[in-house]
Amino acid sequence: DTEVTQTPKHLVMGMTNKKSLKCEQHMGHRAMYWYKQKAKKPPELMFVYSYEKLSINESVPSRFSPECPNSSLLNLHLHALQPEDSALYLCASSHSSYGEFYEQYFGPGTRLTVT
Amino acid sequence: AQKITQTQPGMFVQEKEAVTLDCTYDTSDQSYGLFWYKQPSSGEMIFLIYQGSYDEQNATEGRYSLNFQKARKSANLVISASQLGDSAMYFCAMREGWNSGGSNYKLTFGKGTLLTVNP
Repeated sequence: DTEVTQTPKHLVMGMTNKKSLKCEQHMGHRAMYWYKQKAKKPPELMFVYSYEKLSINESVPSRFSPECPNSSLLNLHLHALQPEDSALYLCASSHSSYGEFYEQYFGPGTRLTVT
Repeated sequence: AQKITQTQPGMFVQEKEAVTLDCTYDTSDQSYGLFWYKQPSSGEMIFLIYQGSYDEQNATEGRYSLNFQKARKSANLVISASQLGDSAMYFCAMREGWNSGGSNYKLTFGKGTLLTVNP
């Protein structure tokens, strides 16, 4: 089973709302990732969790707050977003983040619209 | 710094024919991994194939093969016997070390090639 699930599939939120994106994998992977993808662009890495600890933060604004409650779950808490934050948010997981050879498996994404 | 270049914004191929999607990369690392992903309009990124820098043989996975030319720093994806369902965006990506001397690695993507398979 190489499935990564994400909820919700679509989310519309106002700039003053607080919402959360959820990601789950049951492949025993110890690295999980959040990416942001704008239309017709490649995914851009936001955060990497390795063994439930934040290991990479690509200078993401503080209105995005990641959380890794356990090795299977990854959340992205959203607060006071801007319309330019509207994008497809992809979650991924891999066996490890400590080597260059491990493929990442992606979830279907959450399409976020900020109004 | 490392860079992935996909020079073909869009490609067209007839059903049942083969197509090659180009990818060149630039890295100073001796050890690296190259990946191809497919992204249909639904949005999910689907892992297709992987090539390690030390692998001497080109990777193959079903109808997908990777034409790896290390000296030229190219890693082209070949899709044989194209199907209508192959119509999608294809991304070449490389796994690189995140910071100098560090142990974390991240995936950096090229800009992608939009493949359209015509019946």
